[in-house]
Amino acid sequence: QKEVEQDPGPLSVPEGAIVSLNCTYSNSAFQYFMWYRQYSRKGPELLMYTYSSGNKEDGRFTAQVDKSSKYISLFIRDSQPSDSATYLCAMKDSGAGSYQLTFGKGTKLSVIP
Amino acid sequence: GAVVSQHPSRVICKSGTSVKIECRSLDFQATTMFWYRQFPKQSLMLMATSNEGSKATYEQGVEKDKFLINHASLTLSTLTVTSAHPEDSSFYICSARDQLHEKLFFGSGTQLSVL
Repeated sequence: QKEVEQDPGPLSVPEGAIVSLNCTYSNSAFQYFMWYRQYSRKGPELLMYTYSSGNKEDGRFTAQVDKSSKYISLFIRDSQPSDSATYLCAMKDSGAGSYQLTFGKGTKLSVIP
Repeated sequence: GAVVSQHPSRVICKSGTSVKIECRSLDFQATTMFWYRQFPKQSLMLMATSNEGSKATYEQGVEKDKFLINHASLTLSTLTVTSAHPEDSSFYICSARDQLHEKLFFGSGTQLSVL
């Protein structure tokens, strides 16, 4: 079993829909959770960064972490065509001295006008 | 916000040549930078961790003599693909650790095509 599981999609939704993206993980040492957005042939862009269970909201984006279930989600409200991209979840343990992230495979999202 | 600059964005070269890719942190000092490789429809695979002033740490299966990493300053790390072959064709991405804010920022990637 891989450390981080993420449904690769593709996921296609109409403009204005609510999008739910999810990752599960097996390593209970993961304490920091991130969501990155990657446009085609570009580097990932940090969207959300959380380290506690619960919800964190930033504009149309909400990151949700459930450590007891080892499950994280990213919700996108009022989705726009410009949100079409691949979304990667990433995680890190709390060990000091490094910042190596473990990535999911990414979910490709298409928002149809 | 923090910016990481990666150059070139695209390179096409003949088999057997060497290619150098630069990664710069523009508004913060990065003692640690990371190099990744990404194949189509796949996630980022960490190749090596680059530490300023010391030797890079390579992930298992990554040839250190083929992928030379130099991190000579707090704002610059370079990856040199030596004697490139078609199987080295891939999308290479760097990231830099902003230690002050404990966040990781990525470069825009380099698409390497070896003919």
